[in-house]
Amino acid sequence: AQSVAQPEDQVNVAEGNPLTVKCTYSVSGNPYLFWYVQYPNRGLQFLLKYITGDNLVKGSYGFEAEFNKSQTSFHLKKPSALVSDSALYFCAVRDISGGYNKLIFGAGTRLAVHP
Amino acid sequence: KAGVTQTPRYLIKTRGQQVTLSCSPISGHRSVSWYQQTPGQGLQFLFEYFSETQRNKGNFPGRFSGRQFSNSRSEMNVSTLELGDSALYLCASSLDGFGYTFGSGTRLTVV
Repeated sequence: AQSVAQPEDQVNVAEGNPLTVKCTYSVSGNPYLFWYVQYPNRGLQFLLKYITGDNLVKGSYGFEAEFNKSQTSFHLKKPSALVSDSALYFCAVRDISGGYNKLIFGAGTRLAVHP
Repeated sequence: KAGVTQTPRYLIKTRGQQVTLSCSPISGHRSVSWYQQTPGQGLQFLFEYFSETQRNKGNFPGRFSGRQFSNSRSEMNVSTLELGDSALYLCASSLDGFGYTFGSGTRLTVV
């Protein structure tokens, strides 16, 4: 079965410092991976996805993610964190078992950026 | 280009009642998926509709149902509400299964 794991419930970082939010995956076949961000009382906003191609994926709001097949990881990164980046981040994998698509999400990581 | 629209944004219902939530996908998207988000269980897949047909269903009781109309708008219904059904219900539309755009969600509170 496809799955993703986000090993950290919360990540704390100082404004201006680089941030990393970790995600590991377990899939059969080629992984299609996504990162979403959720602000309080809002839906999920798409940040970036990996389908195929370059291992470094650039996304919205200065975020990027590195796909590492050998470590089965897809960590989200940003060179310089902003206080406004504080939110809940979800990693997801597309599951095509049964022939149809759905997303399987990790438990989420709360990012807190301190001034 | 309009995004995914979910209505209503907030609902308060009493145990035993039923509720209907609505989702209008991005124009041209024929796939609509529904997810339930709770603090305890996280984000869980409910079902997916494509061209008015349910293609995929998650592990939820039969009280949870849905449908899709010819204009791709989708509704989900929960009958005989339980306290545990309190959640944020999210709808996502997709053109090709490689990208999913989510709505702002409907916050359902069952009292």
